[in-house]
Amino acid sequence: GENVEQHPSTLSVQEGDSAVIKCTYSDSASNYFPWYKQELGKGPQLIIDIRSNVGEKKDQRIAVTLNKTAKHFSLHITETQPEDSAVYFCAASWAGSQGNLIFGKGTKLSVKP
Amino acid sequence: IAGITQAPTSQILAAGRRMTLRCTQDMRHNAMYWYRQDLGLGLRLIHYSNTAGTTGKGEVPDGYSVSRANTDDFPLTLASAVPSQTSVYFCASSVESDQPQHFGDGTRLSIL
Repeated sequence: GENVEQHPSTLSVQEGDSAVIKCTYSDSASNYFPWYKQELGKGPQLIIDIRSNVGEKKDQRIAVTLNKTAKHFSLHITETQPEDSAVYFCAASWAGSQGNLIFGKGTKLSVKP
Repeated sequence: IAGITQAPTSQILAAGRRMTLRCTQDMRHNAMYWYRQDLGLGLRLIHYSNTAGTTGKGEVPDGYSVSRANTDDFPLTLASAVPSQTSVYFCASSVESDQPQHFGDGTRLSIL
């Protein structure tokens, strides 16, 4: 079955710097890749997603890139702010999976003022 | 405010007891899901429902059951709780099964 590896597990950056989190997946049939942000005591919040027919997607300071050949996708946050501090999860699913998202183990991002 | 409501927010339960976690959404989403989140393991799918009246097993279904009598509600039942079911449980929903999933704020469950 599908396996999603996420790196790094922790990431500390200075306010204003960029942050990059990378995920690799094993199943070449995977075609949907969402990213979630989870704050303490809250549920995961969808921040951006990408489908396999697109190589890059951007939403203000957040972007996701997908490399289908290498089977990896990355979250890029520019001009980081303290409120970006949270745990970020990547996930993958495939056509016919009935919405079964396979999650990475998460990256704890700390943005230092 | 539209969204997903989970209840209770937290619960301490004796092993062997029966427990039902409630999940209600008011977005008229067809698909609903239950995940558990454990430290170091991320989120794992327990059960899902693509539409009212149907359910399916996810990655870790053993020890859990669900029902989907209507569009809005998707309760998760632990028939006889065991300590390994100590976890944070999240309910999610999406318009259809291949659409983005939106999560509730979870139920923190401790089995002693």
